[in-house]
Amino acid sequence: GDSVTQMEGPVTLSEEAFLTINCTYTATGYPSLFWYVQYPGEGLQLLLKATKADDKGSNKGFEATYRKETTSFHLEKGSVQVSDSAVYFCALRKNTGFQKLVFGTGTRLLVSP
Amino acid sequence: DAGVIQSPRHEVTEMGQEVTLRCKPISGHNSLFWYRQTMMRGLELLIYFNNNVPIDDSGMPEDRFSAKMPNASFSTLKIQPSEPRDSAVYFCASIDTGGSGNTIYFGEGSWLTVV
Repeated sequence: GDSVTQMEGPVTLSEEAFLTINCTYTATGYPSLFWYVQYPGEGLQLLLKATKADDKGSNKGFEATYRKETTSFHLEKGSVQVSDSAVYFCALRKNTGFQKLVFGTGTRLLVSP
Repeated sequence: DAGVIQSPRHEVTEMGQEVTLRCKPISGHNSLFWYRQTMMRGLELLIYFNNNVPIDDSGMPEDRFSAKMPNASFSTLKIQPSEPRDSAVYFCASIDTGGSGNTIYFGEGSWLTVV
């Protein structure tokens, strides 16, 4: 079945460091890919998305590129802030049929001043 | 847009009591999901409605759980009787499958504690 694999956390960084959170997927066809973020005590918010190969999603300084050849959608940010501390979820969704989101296990990011 | 609205935001109840969680999807969205989040199991899809009809409820853990969607603007998830292991965050989400976007939007969750 379809699945998403994320790197284990927590990821601990100092402010202004470069961030990469790895995400790979397994799916038939060409799903849409998403990153959701969950801040402490809050719900899931869409951070960015990409709907086809080579698309780059970006938002709030975060970027991720849909790589079909490596089935990956790694999240990056050039300079993290303390306010970026949260749990990040990679997810896929088929574009036809039963269109549920399949989530990875989430990666906690901790940014210290 | 008001977003997906869930209530209650927080609930503490005693084991054996009935719990009802409520969700109002984004206006115009025709599909609705209920997810459960726990530390042990992460995010799990419980049930999915399309045009108010349950499409897949294979994720509902057992008969104590039931969900309804009487109309396009309201859904409930009921647990009767509740047990401590039901303690989790329950998210409702919605999408317009006929629209040009393909984004599922989540509510802020109902944080349930069963003691």
